[in-house]
Amino acid sequence: GEDVEQSLFLSVREGDSSVINCTYTDSSSTYLYWYKQEPGAGLQLLTYIFSNMDMKQDQRLTVLLNKKDKHLSLRIADTQTGDSAIYFCAETLQTGANNLFFGTGTRLTVIP
Amino acid sequence: KAGVTQTPRYLIKTRGQQVTLSCSPISGHRSVSWYQQTPGQGLQFLFEYFSETQRNKGNFPGRFSGRQFSNSRSEMNVSTLELGDSALYLCASSSGTSGGKETQYFGPGTRLLVL
Repeated sequence: GEDVEQSLFLSVREGDSSVINCTYTDSSSTYLYWYKQEPGAGLQLLTYIFSNMDMKQDQRLTVLLNKKDKHLSLRIADTQTGDSAIYFCAETLQTGANNLFFGTGTRLTVIP
Repeated sequence: KAGVTQTPRYLIKTRGQQVTLSCSPISGHRSVSWYQQTPGQGLQFLFEYFSETQRNKGNFPGRFSGRQFSNSRSEMNVSTLELGDSALYLCASSSGTSGGKETQYFGPGTRLLVL
C-alpha cells in the first residue's frame, strides 16, 4: 500500500539551507512531487522527479531521491521568510493514474 | 493562462444537507481530480475525471460523487452531509493525456464547514 511520511516541523534561520525529508513505502512509485501550501491557499507545485532519477536541481531547489531507501528530500538554498509554508511530498503509483498520495506535510518556519 | 478556479471559496451547510462544488480546469486540460484536506486525515484523493468519465476513485463513501462536462469543468457533490465532511476540497487539473506522467495544478480550494 501507500504510506508517505514526513516530519511535522522544521525551523531554520533566514539565509540558511532547509532540508525537508520524506519516506515512502511503495517501490512502484513513478513520479514524486513536492508541493507548497501557504496559509489559506491551495497547493503550489514546486518540482517533481521521475523515479529513475537521483537528483534534480531547479534554481534554489534540489531534489534528491534514494530509491533503495525510499527516501526523498527537498533542499531549499538561501531560505527566505517567504518560504515559510507547509511542504508536501506526494507520489503517483500507476502510469495512467492521476491520483496523488500525499505525505503529512512539514511546516517550515523561517526565522528572520 | 488562467489557473484552476473553484467556486464557491467558502460554504457553510448543516448536517443532512447536500452540497455541490465546482472546478474549472486550466484551458486545454481534460483531467480533473478532487482531493479532501482535513487536519486529521491530511490530503486524500477522492476521484478523477477525464473526458467526462470517472477514471480513478479513492476510498470515499458513495455520498461523494462527481461529474465532468464536455468543457472539462467538473462538479463534485456530497449528499447527506456529516460533521466530518468539514474540510478544504481541492481540485487539480492536468492534461490527462500523458498516462499519468503529467503534473497536476491545484486550485485554491473550497472550504466547507458543516454545522
